Amino acid sequence: DQQVKQNSPSLSVQEGRISILNCDYTNSMFDYFLWYKKYPAEGPTFLISISSIKDKNEDGRFTVFLNKSAKHLSLHIVPSQPGDSAVYFCAASAQSGGYQKVTFGIGTKLQVIP
Amino acid sequence: NAGVMQNPRHLVRRRGQEARLRCSPMKGHSHVYWYRQLPEEGLKFMVYLQKENIIDESGMPKERFSAEFPKEGPSILRIQQVVRGDSAAYFCASSRRTGTNYGYTFGSGTRLTVV
Repeated sequence: DQQVKQNSPSLSVQEGRISILNCDYTNSMFDYFLWYKKYPAEGPTFLISISSIKDKNEDGRFTVFLNKSAKHLSLHIVPSQPGDSAVYFCAASAQSGGYQKVTFGIGTKLQVIP
Repeated sequence: NAGVMQNPRHLVRRRGQEARLRCSPMKGHSHVYWYRQLPEEGLKFMVYLQKENIIDESGMPKERFSAEFPKEGPSILRIQQVVRGDSAAYFCASSRRTGTNYGYTFGSGTRLTVV
């Protein structure tokens, strides 16, 4: 049961343009959403998060939008840079057994073309 | 100010052998999480531990897999009698608290290859 879905396995974007990575979820109990970035042979690194009570959070070139009614969130990167080429994991957390349990999607591989 | 340290980075085992994966959390972090990434798949939760306690092992296979986080020393993920299907990247993460406002800190992973 894939509770966090990233339906696009890959995305290619020209340098300087906007990258939009999408994520859908099914569990309405999720109350926090996060994006992680992963380079090959490295562990994921936390990028940006958003609480379910907000609909937008911005950090520099990265903005996450949350549409709770559609159970959809997206990560916007603008302008995209070659160093942004990585796998991006969408994640969501909910209270489970007394702690915030984090569930990850399968990732979207972003390639930014110089 | 070392991050989450995992070793070994690469581990090759023959079918039937045991694999031991180690994870030292960030200083001050007492919560440890293990995730597995199979080829072409995302990160799958395996187990969540605090010092000397397993809090949630709902993602652990019922047989051959075990985890511990002793009072002293690193967290260990142990896989007995490995099979080819165990080949994957195993990531450990740690956090200071269970709240996820700032996310987990992940290690670089251990890539297990079963031959």
